[in-house]
Amino acid sequence: AQSVTQLGSHVSVSEGALVLLRCNYSSSVPPYLFWYVQYPNQGLQLLLKYTSAATLVKGINGFEAEFKKSETSFHLTKPSAHMSDAAEYFCVVSDQDDMRFGAGTRLTVKP
Amino acid sequence: DAGVIQSPRHEVTEMGQEVTLRCKPISGHDYLFWYRQTMMRGLELLIYFNNNVPIDDSGMPEDRFSAKMPNASFSTLKIQPSEPRDSAVYFCASSLSGVGEAFFGQGTRLTVV
Repeated sequence: AQSVTQLGSHVSVSEGALVLLRCNYSSSVPPYLFWYVQYPNQGLQLLLKYTSAATLVKGINGFEAEFKKSETSFHLTKPSAHMSDAAEYFCVVSDQDDMRFGAGTRLTVKP
Repeated sequence: DAGVIQSPRHEVTEMGQEVTLRCKPISGHDYLFWYRQTMMRGLELLIYFNNNVPIDDSGMPEDRFSAKMPNASFSTLKIQPSEPRDSAVYFCASSLSGVGEAFFGQGTRLTVV
């Protein structure tokens, strides 16, 4: 069985500040890991994905995430937040046939 | 490809009525997922199909919910009878494989009054 935990349902940062959204997973097999973003009143879209090629994964809009096996973590970061980053972010773990979503973290960016 | 297409985008219905949500996945994608999103429970996987066959329906809340995939290009999620607590946004997603990127539709916002 696999599961994913996102620490913090709400994160608020100032524009230009570092964004850090936390994700921990459990999986009985080497996992595939994803971050999705959902803007208000829209569907989810892929931000980035880890598929064992490299531990540091770069995604769209300046986001990146680092896979740390020893910590079973896949935290999402962005050096400088922009107002347009305000959205809900979902961490996802997947094995052969199953995708499991975290509860989501709502990011607020203050001017 | 136009992406995953869901219809309708919005549905308002009275309690007790039957509701059918529709999804057209991306051509060539073998997996299709139905999710429900609410403020209280977040994003929940209801059911997913592989090659038109339901693989895991353990997330379907109760017998009032049913899903079908008669062919590779069409799936339905039916609620009969509908209840106010079914009000949510329902998303359909498709992917090439179970471990690959999932592409989401825009969702159907269901309101049961």
